[in-house]
Amino acid sequence: EVQLVESGGGLVQPGGSLRLSCAASGYTFSSYWMSWVRQAPGKGLEWVANIKEDGSEKYYVDSVKGRFTISRDNAKNSLYLQMNSLRAEDTAVYYCARDYPYSSSWKYNWFDPWGQGTLVTVSS
Amino acid sequence: QSGLTQPPSASGTPGQRVTISCSGSSSNIGSNTGNWYQQLPGTAPKLLIYSNNQRPSGVPDRFSGSKSGTSASLAISGLQSEDEADYYCAAWDDSLNGWVFGGGTKLTVL
Repeated sequence: EVQLVESGGGLVQPGGSLRLSCAASGYTFSSYWMSWVRQAPGKGLEWVANIKEDGSEKYYVDSVKGRFTISRDNAKNSLYLQMNSLRAEDTAVYYCARDYPYSSSWKYNWFDPWGQGTLVTVSS
Repeated sequence: QSGLTQPPSASGTPGQRVTISCSGSSSNIGSNTGNWYQQLPGTAPKLLIYSNNQRPSGVPDRFSGSKSGTSASLAISGLQSEDEADYYCAAWDDSLNGWVFGGGTKLTVL
């Protein structure tokens, strides 16, 4: 069974840092792009970042550029999101998702599956 | 970062057919494929429709998707109470170099 499990969420003060992790299992992790998608309380979905299979390409939503870094460790089947200079508006449930199934034509991908999410709260 | 436009709410009675629209532009739906996700209350999103009109295995054929120009649509026929959920469209945006989502449509089964 393909499974994604996020961890690392919690309460952090504005300006602080947090590192999220996503453990993948049930498939060849190193063969697929991966994404982070977040959902603020009571709001809709917002894509945050994605990363190519070998980590050589990364894309970010404008609001997190320069503050968040997506990375992966294919040997550990893990995806990460390093979040620095956190703001109140970064408060959300963060989901990791597999970009499926294309590598070179990633624009035609879809997100499947999704993890259960981890809550990040930025507050003093 | 601009996204896709969906109606905030939709409703129908059991057995009815409901359609949810998703309006985009030439840089997203117009040039790439659209996907739909279903989010049941308190759960993570789940893939519902991919590549404009394809259903993953396990998704009932009551759900169907279509695309025309810069817009996509999700149709649900034979509405059931368990279809009550939030529905999101998404597509890659070539101008923004990122994925964009619609704001979500909350479907209520009356």
